[in-house]
Amino acid sequence: DAGITQSPRHKVTETGTPVTLRCHQTENHRYMYWYRQDPGHGLRLIHYSYGVKDTDKGEVSDGYSVSRSKTEDFLLTLESATSSQTSVYFCAISDSGGVTGQPQHFGDGTRLSIL
Amino acid sequence: AQTVTQSQPEMSVQEAETVTLSCTYDTSESNYYLFWYKQPPSRQMILVIRQEAYKQQNATENRFSVNFQKAAKSFSLKISDSQLGDTAMYFCAFMKLLAGGTSYGKLTFGQGTILTVHP
Repeated sequence: DAGITQSPRHKVTETGTPVTLRCHQTENHRYMYWYRQDPGHGLRLIHYSYGVKDTDKGEVSDGYSVSRSKTEDFLLTLESATSSQTSVYFCAISDSGGVTGQPQHFGDGTRLSIL
Repeated sequence: AQTVTQSQPEMSVQEAETVTLSCTYDTSESNYYLFWYKQPPSRQMILVIRQEAYKQQNATENRFSVNFQKAAKSFSLKISDSQLGDTAMYFCAFMKLLAGGTSYGKLTFGQGTILTVHP
């Protein structure tokens, strides 16, 4: 299995508080992604990174920011959490970024509940 | 932008029987990849099968096979000899490939189909 660790696995917090989710990989892959999973929507891309300090927005980026200061770590931050951000968050990694069509490998997800 | 549609929210099948999950997609791209991922109750995302759009031959992985109809933009998954361990949510996903570059490997997912295998 690809070495991807998401932390925390579960978190409950209150509206208006900042939240940071961490994705750590041991595969030295260049590309990293954050998705959220919601019923009826599948997984939707929030942000992605194509190198250290290189990031871009995905489909549902409003209210989220990311940072990547090291190859192995990709952080997702909710500056001021809202109830609509209650979701399961997945990190994924890829070595080729789609050039060869290699699939992404996913972490085990973080269940985030915002009350 | 690409869209992926899975029109069957839930399906069920008896153990040892065959089931087919549907997926359609909309794109103007000519080069792309298609995937089926499985998500069991453990929440893991597990790759089931992958198809290159430029290959006419349908991909097969053991009991799992696809019916890829490029003109119809259809990509269905057939599971033969269903097993209890196949019970999961199944997602169809699209990845475009830009000529001369990269799409950064971003995936567009369908809504998912919950498959239940009954003993």
